[in-house]
Amino acid sequence: DAGVIQSPRHEVTEMGQEVTLRCKPISGHNSLFWYRQTMMRGLELLIYFNNNVPIDDSGMPEDRFSAKMPNASFSTLKIQPSEPRDSAVYFCASSSSLLPRQEILRQPQHFGDGTRLSIL
Amino acid sequence: AQKITQTQPGMFVQEKEAVTLDCTYDTSDPSYGLFWYKQPSSGEMIFLIYQGSYDQQNATEGRYSLNFQKARKSANLVISASQLGDSAMYFCAMREGLRRANFGNEKLTFGTGTRLTIIP
Repeated sequence: DAGVIQSPRHEVTEMGQEVTLRCKPISGHNSLFWYRQTMMRGLELLIYFNNNVPIDDSGMPEDRFSAKMPNASFSTLKIQPSEPRDSAVYFCASSSSLLPRQEILRQPQHFGDGTRLSIL
Repeated sequence: AQKITQTQPGMFVQEKEAVTLDCTYDTSDPSYGLFWYKQPSSGEMIFLIYQGSYDQQNATEGRYSLNFQKARKSANLVISASQLGDSAMYFCAMREGLRRANFGNEKLTFGTGTRLTIIP
């Protein structure tokens, strides 16, 4: 079975440019999560969607970051304009909440391979 | 206050020895789940093992087991007969109980991780 698919795997761009990261969750999963990982701050949840609706975006750093999920099989995380401090590994993860409540609790999140973003 | 605390930033262990990675958590919710993930140097996040707060027995999965001490709020990961391929970052994470009807608490809170190095 295909796992969570992220693209691109690596992105190097100059500051000020728009960056778009893409994610395809596991088929049948209805929850999608965007994380950022840095040495300084560890793994941070940026935003998560349930049934394509943003549920919690309290981790989105600032207005330069935006995320969309136009359908169940695709999500984007956009940074505009990008800055060097945005350099990090960005992960997308998915899980299912289409289960009895106690089963939802034990569902792991399945991660993509991440996008390594470098802003020069 | 940190919800998940991993106090060992790094550990070195001789190959074939058992290793225990510490994780303590903080929650007032009686229903919660604890997860361990492995992140090798290649960067992907791999789900290892799950422990539910109401589970009667400690979780086991192959060479991985959880030493779950609910009163102490600890969920230490034990790796038996360590192998060179076990060298990686290990993250402990918690999902608190689902209080809202349909969604809301699916997100995971991660610790800062422990870097495990297996010495040949």
